Amino acid sequence: NAGVMQNPRHLVRRRGQEARLRCSPMKGHSHVYWYRQLPEEGLKFMVYLQKENIIDESGMPKERFSAEFPKEGPSILRIQQVVRGDSAAYFCASSPQGNEQFFGPGTRLTVL
Amino acid sequence: GNSVTQMEGPVTLSEEAFLTINCTYTATGYPSLFWYVQYPGEGLQLLLKATKADDKGSNKGFEATYRKETTSFHLEKGSVQVSDSAVYFCALSDNQSNTGNQFYFGTGTSLTVIP
Repeated sequence: NAGVMQNPRHLVRRRGQEARLRCSPMKGHSHVYWYRQLPEEGLKFMVYLQKENIIDESGMPKERFSAEFPKEGPSILRIQQVVRGDSAAYFCASSPQGNEQFFGPGTRLTVL
Repeated sequence: GNSVTQMEGPVTLSEEAFLTINCTYTATGYPSLFWYVQYPGEGLQLLLKATKADDKGSNKGFEATYRKETTSFHLEKGSVQVSDSAVYFCALSDNQSNTGNQFYFGTGTSLTVIP
């Protein structure tokens, strides 16, 4: 059983561009969580999704950020009009029933 | 509310030294407790967990005991190795299935073990 997959592993964007981060959960996992890790800081919860539903987005910035987890395909975290402060590592985790979480390797976003 | 507070780092130890990383929590219900480890450039990996009071989680020589009376889940290892150098995160799951079992993470403690 492959682990949680995230791509790309590294993403470079210029200010104002869009960033799309993908997360494929482990097989059989229907719960997906996104976290952001700023340099030298801990993990901050962003959003929790189940298939086709956003369950909790209390950690998402109100503007420019959105997430989806369609019936088919990976979960997508989209950041529009990126700014330098968006530079961070973004981690996805999946869970079979919303208990233990399994993390992906992360996408490291750099905004120039 | 729910939160996790863990010992600030960085921590530097010599090989074979004893390790303790303190973690305390606040929770409104009956949480599960976890330690995750993050090696440089990688994602978080589950190190150990405990799901109820007095449970002891253990893995790779690391141990942590779920202490409800002191609301603590301190991580210990009797003899660290250079390969244990990483960032360690304490985490809590609120086990509230109606809100998706939200996880709360500490800020992480960086450990460096020198030969």
